[in-house]
Amino acid sequence: GAVVSQHPSWVICKSGTSVKIECRSLDFQATTMFWYRQFPKQSLMLMATSNEGSKATYEQGVEKDKFLINHASLTLSTLTVTSAHPEDSSFYICSARSFQGSNQPQHFGDGTRLSIL
Amino acid sequence: DAKTTQPTSMDCAEGRAANLPCNHSTISGNEYVYWYRQIHSQGPQYIIHGLKNNETNEMASLIITEDRKSSTLILPHATLRDTAVYYCIASRGTGTASKLTFGTGTRLQVTL
Repeated sequence: GAVVSQHPSWVICKSGTSVKIECRSLDFQATTMFWYRQFPKQSLMLMATSNEGSKATYEQGVEKDKFLINHASLTLSTLTVTSAHPEDSSFYICSARSFQGSNQPQHFGDGTRLSIL
Repeated sequence: DAKTTQPTSMDCAEGRAANLPCNHSTISGNEYVYWYRQIHSQGPQYIIHGLKNNETNEMASLIITEDRKSSTLILPHATLRDTAVYYCIASRGTGTASKLTFGTGTRLQVTL
């Protein structure tokens, strides 16, 4: 149980295009989903927290107009990187947490490797 | 969230127990200790978590000291597939406060 699926797993696109990444909880309902970014040889950095049906909360230094997050249902959140540039190339990882129980762990997807040319 | 401190790296022979320590001396009473691991190029995998009692599941055991200032993750019989970066994180685990702050973790190398 507690499977989180992320799609696509790998994407290459030209500078200036927008890229959408999907995060789905397959066997549980997730009130809260999180988006992280990881640069090579660094640890995961939280970008934003999203709750179903409400606006995402962004961490300091993360541009909300550049990284659009939608959490329209209890099983799906999307991250759109708008007008992507080479410096946005990174490993993007989502996680989801069940609403049942106050200390349920987050479960992570396998990440999306984004390369902007 | 309380800061955690872990050794940068550890080695373990295959088949032996791997004991990974974590210090969290400023942990508050309502913060849980979570352990995750990340195998190269994959998303983190949840291992175990606890508040104050020792916990065991099919993957590992978590031993938390009585004063809760430190803990140890035990992989009872390490295999090569356990080679990964292990993260110890203190978090309140509730609502928006359940966000996880990842440190640099411990790189565990399991060898033959």
